[in-house]
Amino acid sequence: NAGVTQTPKFQVLKTGQSMTLQCAQDMNHNSMYWYRQDPGMGLRLIYYSASEGTTDKGEVPNGYNVSRLNKREFSLRLESAAPSQTSVYFCASSRDNLSYEQYFGPGTRLTVT
Amino acid sequence: AQSVTQLDSQVPVFEEAPVELRCNYSSSVSVYLFWYVQYPNQGLQLLLKYLSGSTLVKGINGFEAEFNKSQTSFHLRKPSVHISDTAEYFCAVRRISGGYQKVTFGTGTKLQVIP
Repeated sequence: NAGVTQTPKFQVLKTGQSMTLQCAQDMNHNSMYWYRQDPGMGLRLIYYSASEGTTDKGEVPNGYNVSRLNKREFSLRLESAAPSQTSVYFCASSRDNLSYEQYFGPGTRLTVT
Repeated sequence: AQSVTQLDSQVPVFEEAPVELRCNYSSSVSVYLFWYVQYPNQGLQLLLKYLSGSTLVKGINGFEAEFNKSQTSFHLRKPSVHISDTAEYFCAVRRISGGYQKVTFGTGTKLQVIP
């Protein structure tokens, strides 16, 4: 089992460019999450998907969109990147939205210049 | 709303010495408590959790934590650290309620083990 995988590992964008971060899990989990990690701020939830076909906003959704493509895949899109979106992005999954344990991917380090 | 405070952003400690990483939380309702570890260039992984029962919980790699309801604390301890424990540690809480409850993470404590 690969667990939670994320692509790409690193990305540099110019302000205004768009990109999609990909996430996939092979644990047959129902719920998936996108977080951003910034120095001194811990992890903040951007969006989550409690089950296939549903998505909901987290704490910091502005500037992002998500797609739950199927049970395995949950993508995060930046339509017009801004320097404030420079961060490390983590995807996570859990058995369902009541489960307390989340499994994290290795992260995508994004720099917006 | 709940919140988590990790007062120490960095903790240097010599190899084989004991360590305590502090975590305090605030919540108007009962919570589950967690410690996650993040090794360099990796995602977070669950170290241990408190759901109910004994207030002393043991996790992987020799770590343990004690839930203190009156102090609203959940400090992480290890009696003797190794170089391989160098990582960032995150305390987290989640409300015990029906339906989806988000996990709130602390700002993290970087543990640096000195040879």
